[in-house]
Amino acid sequence: AQSVTQLDSHVSVSEGTPVLLRCNYSSSYSPSLFWYVQHPNKGLQLLLKYTSAATLVKGINGFEAEFKKSETSFHLTKPSAHMSDAAEYFCVVPFPSGSARQLTFGSGTQLTVLP
Amino acid sequence: EAGVAQSPRYKIIEKRQSVAFWCNPISGHATLYWYQQILGQGPKLLIQFQNNGVVDDSQLPKDRFSAERLKGVDSTLKIQPAKLEDSAVYLCASSGRGWSEAFFGQGTRLTVV
Repeated sequence: AQSVTQLDSHVSVSEGTPVLLRCNYSSSYSPSLFWYVQHPNKGLQLLLKYTSAATLVKGINGFEAEFKKSETSFHLTKPSAHMSDAAEYFCVVPFPSGSARQLTFGSGTQLTVLP
Repeated sequence: EAGVAQSPRYKIIEKRQSVAFWCNPISGHATLYWYQQILGQGPKLLIQFQNNGVVDDSQLPKDRFSAERLKGVDSTLKIQPAKLEDSAVYLCASSGRGWSEAFFGQGTRLTVV
């Protein structure tokens, strides 16, 4: 079965320090990878997407992610955390399912930003 | 471009009652998803439609949950009868062709008491 693993359920950083949220996925053909963010009591918002054009992807709010095929990883980074970054982050991979694509979610990483 | 619309935003019902949620996807999106998100957990796929056909409903509790997609556009998700463990946020999402991203609605927060 296809799987997406977010290695940390909780990450805590101080404001102004770097953020690293890790994501690994089972090896299978998938030309797309996504990170979504969910603020409390809000819907899921697309943060960034990889679509085979470039391995380093830039998203909104200063976030980036690097696709590493050899490591089957798609880690999310930000050079300097802001208080407003506190939220739940989901790594999402669309795997082929018959003629369709099934979105598989990681279990999520709760990011806390300390003042 | 208008986003995915869901209603209602909030619903409180007693156990054993029935409830229905409505979703209007982004215009032209062929794929529609319903997810259940229990507090503190990631979204769980309940059902996926491709146009008006069901692609995956393997995790839909079919004894109490049902869903339909009318003419390949709007969709409704129904629970009858509701149980306490159905308390969750129900998210609708839609996506276009190929390997494009999904766009999510704001969700419906269901509380079963």
